[in-house]
Amino acid sequence: EVQLVESGGGLVQPGGSLRLSCAASGLTFSSYEMNWVRQAPGKGLDWVSYISGSGSTVYYIDSVKGRFTVSRDNAKNSLYLQMNGLRAEDTAVYYCAREWSGGKDAFDIWGQGTTVTVSS
Amino acid sequence: SYVLTQPPSVSVAPGQTARITCGGNNIGSKSVHWYQQKPGQAPVLVVYDDSDRPSGIPERFSGSKSDNTATLTISRVDAGDEADYCCQVWDSSSDHRGWVFGGGTKLTVL
Repeated sequence: EVQLVESGGGLVQPGGSLRLSCAASGLTFSSYEMNWVRQAPGKGLDWVSYISGSGSTVYYIDSVKGRFTVSRDNAKNSLYLQMNGLRAEDTAVYYCAREWSGGKDAFDIWGQGTTVTVSS
Repeated sequence: SYVLTQPPSVSVAPGQTARITCGGNNIGSKSVHWYQQKPGQAPVLVVYDDSDRPSGIPERFSGSKSDNTATLTISRVDAGDEADYCCQVWDSSSDHRGWVFGGGTKLTVL
């Protein structure tokens, strides 16, 4: 069974840092492009970042450029999101999601999410 | 940047058909995906590439698209379909590359 499990969320003060992890199992991880998506309380889905299978190509939403860094370790079947300079508006549930190349890159597998709360 | 517009809410009686729209400039040239999200759960892909269904998704869920509007249609709606539904496209304009989600539509089964 393909599974994605996020971890690393928590309460952090404004300006602080967190590193989220997404552990993948049941798939050839390096073959898949991956994404981070967040959802603020009571709000809709908000794409955050993309990384190619090799890790050589990354994209970010404008609001996190220069503060967040996406990376992956294919040997460890893991995806990461380093978040620095956190702001109150970064408070959200963060999901990792797999792109399905057979489905025109739709996100066919999602983790259960990890909650990030930025507050003093 | 690219914007996808969805109605905040749609209400339908059990057994009827729900139609949820997703508007975007020249969306006809893009591949549209749809997700269902129930409270406290991760999103689930229900339609991909405008009108295809992943395995395990009932035939009651279908998608269509015109030049500027994509539509998710749910026929014979039941209480279990009550959820938020969200559309998604890839934006590859000159000044931005990334995924875009619509604001989401809450489907209420009366």
